[in-house]
Amino acid sequence: KQEVTQIPAALSVPEGENLVLNCSFTDSAIYNLQWFRQDPGKGLTSLLLIQSSQREQTSGRLNASLDKSSGRSTLYIAASQPGDSATYLCAVTAGGTSYGKLTFGQGTILTVHP
Amino acid sequence: ETGVTQTPRHLVMGMTNKKSLKCEQHLGHNAMYWYKQSAKKPLELMFVYNFKEQTENNSVPSRFSPECPNSSHLFLHLHTLQPEDSALYLCASSQTFPTRGRGYEQYFGPGTRLTVT
Repeated sequence: KQEVTQIPAALSVPEGENLVLNCSFTDSAIYNLQWFRQDPGKGLTSLLLIQSSQREQTSGRLNASLDKSSGRSTLYIAASQPGDSATYLCAVTAGGTSYGKLTFGQGTILTVHP
Repeated sequence: ETGVTQTPRHLVMGMTNKKSLKCEQHLGHNAMYWYKQSAKKPLELMFVYNFKEQTENNSVPSRFSPECPNSSHLFLHLHTLQPEDSALYLCASSQTFPTRGRGYEQYFGPGTRLTVT
């Protein structure tokens, strides 16, 4: 059974810092990996999607890497801003189905203070 | 309306009530999903419908009964719930074939916050 772990569980940083969120998964037979953002009481917004054949994806100040063989992914946030405060979720998609079967980590709660 | 919508956004119900959650997607997708998000637990997949057929039931208690009348609508019928069923229920949708570079990317609704008293 696939298990996804995110470290740290919570992170508080001053504005402007660069930071790294970590995600690990136990079964490397994944189709892709997604990073989501969730604001309190809200749904999920997809940030980055990395296919299993890719090593990294970038969007603005966000960069996600994937090391499938070691079962790890990192989300790098450059020059953090208070508006980045949210819960960040990592999820992997299992292969072998015609739809996306996602397994989520527990999330990292990020607080960026002015 | 665009994307994935869910109603109601908030629901308070007693343990003997019967209620339904509704999800609608306007993205032309063929797969729809129900997830449960409880405090201090990872998001859990509950059900998957692929072309209106249920393809996943992740050992969900029978007091949760899904219904998918067509590819755009998904319901979750609730009856005789327990207080531990209080959670945020999220609906999502996706294509059933991998879109180039995006795979089976799922799009989520805003969720229904359910409180069982």
